[in-house]
Amino acid sequence: AQTVTQSQPEMSVQEAETVTLSCTYDTSENNYYLFWYKQPPSRQMILVIRQEAYKQQNATENRFSVNFQKAAKSFSLKISDSQLGDTAMYFCAFADGGTSYGKLTFGQGTILTVHP
Amino acid sequence: EAQVTQNPRYLITVTGKKLTVTCSQNMNHEYMSWYRQDPGLGLRQIYYSMNVEVTDKGDVPEGYKVSRKEKRNFPLILESPSPNQTSLYFCASSPLGLAVRHTQYFGPGTRLTVL
Repeated sequence: AQTVTQSQPEMSVQEAETVTLSCTYDTSENNYYLFWYKQPPSRQMILVIRQEAYKQQNATENRFSVNFQKAAKSFSLKISDSQLGDTAMYFCAFADGGTSYGKLTFGQGTILTVHP
Repeated sequence: EAQVTQNPRYLITVTGKKLTVTCSQNMNHEYMSWYRQDPGLGLRQIYYSMNVEVTDKGDVPEGYKVSRKEKRNFPLILESPSPNQTSLYFCASSPLGLAVRHTQYFGPGTRLTVL
């Protein structure tokens, strides 16, 4: 079974600084997708960024980027120029090709607080 | 407005009383899924559906049933709820599953308490 581990229950950062959230996963699959989701206090789930395992290039979306290390099974999220609106819980998630990319496994989440 | 709706948003019930949480999407999405969120455990997938009449188990399907008789609806059924099913439940949909470059749209959540 696939597992996703986020080892940082809570993180904090000053506004405008950079913070990195960690995620590791375990799988025997070769084809899969990785995601970072954001859940603000409103509880709505928002997709932040996704990474295809077959792509070596790290995904970026504006201030958000990932460091994807396939051999180490590591998928960290870097938030640059942190803003107060980035305060949220962040979830790492994994979708494997063995289930036609239907099954999604989440990590435990990291609460990020951005301080002014 | 494109959205995923869930009903009810809040529910308090008693052990053993069958209940259904409805989920509906108006975006003609093929993929739908149910998750539960518990403190310290993150989100865990209960069931997912790649298309009409096609459903599969997620990581925690025990105690739950689903059906997908039409594309827009994906109800979650608890035939005999127990206190360990007290949780926050999310329904979500996506155009064609998780591998396609489309975001997964989440509903607002249903807070369920089983006494």
